[in-house]
Amino acid sequence: DTEVTQTPKHLVMGMTNKKSLKCEQHMGHRAMYWYKQKAKKPPELMFVYSYEKLSINESVPSRFSPECPNSSLLNLHLHALQPEDSALYLCASSPGPPGFAANTGELFFGEGSRLTVL
Amino acid sequence: AQSVSQHNHHVILSEAASLELGCNYSYGGTVNLFWYVQYPGQHLQLLLKYFSGDPLVKGIKGFEAEFIKSKFSFNLRKPSVQWSDTAEYFCAVNPPPITGGGNKLTFGTGTQLKVEL
Repeated sequence: DTEVTQTPKHLVMGMTNKKSLKCEQHMGHRAMYWYKQKAKKPPELMFVYSYEKLSINESVPSRFSPECPNSSLLNLHLHALQPEDSALYLCASSPGPPGFAANTGELFFGEGSRLTVL
Repeated sequence: AQSVSQHNHHVILSEAASLELGCNYSYGGTVNLFWYVQYPGQHLQLLLKYFSGDPLVKGIKGFEAEFIKSKFSFNLRKPSVQWSDTAEYFCAVNPPPITGGGNKLTFGTGTQLKVEL
């Protein structure tokens, strides 16, 4: 079992809805990530939080809004999404963030939230 | 351009066959290397990793990988596959900051392995 917990596992929403994806880790990691994964494709980095501050935004549209309330929690707020945003959204954590000398790049992934936008 | 390449996109094997999946990267300098596996409908799991030391690393479920620095390769191997190894396999590299990677994990395009009974 993964130590990164994501809820909900499945979400169906309309283009005018507002919803949120949640992620939690209790490994004391100081970096948390959102990835997007389309079918049969590799995960694509969306956001990185380092010490609860947004450190990387990979030019993600503003209809995706991340939030890191504390070191254990990471949210992704969704609003006015498009059908092409349907994907598996993966949360991950690592002991150290990108650019941190001790960072090895190893990520611990959650099971993902499968999002369908109608 | 800096990249991670997995040349085998789809591999079909019979049970007990040997497996080798290729992974090449184009970053210079020291890199950390990973293989992740994603079973159908499941999350990404770390199969094995290489940071330094012995270039032949062993992972879970009988998998191993060999880092060959001169070839910029980190190929995944298993002597005898099982039906339960059917999954998507991703090679990933943590490039050094000097190349602009910013220590961001970069994934290859993945290899879909199907093992037939």
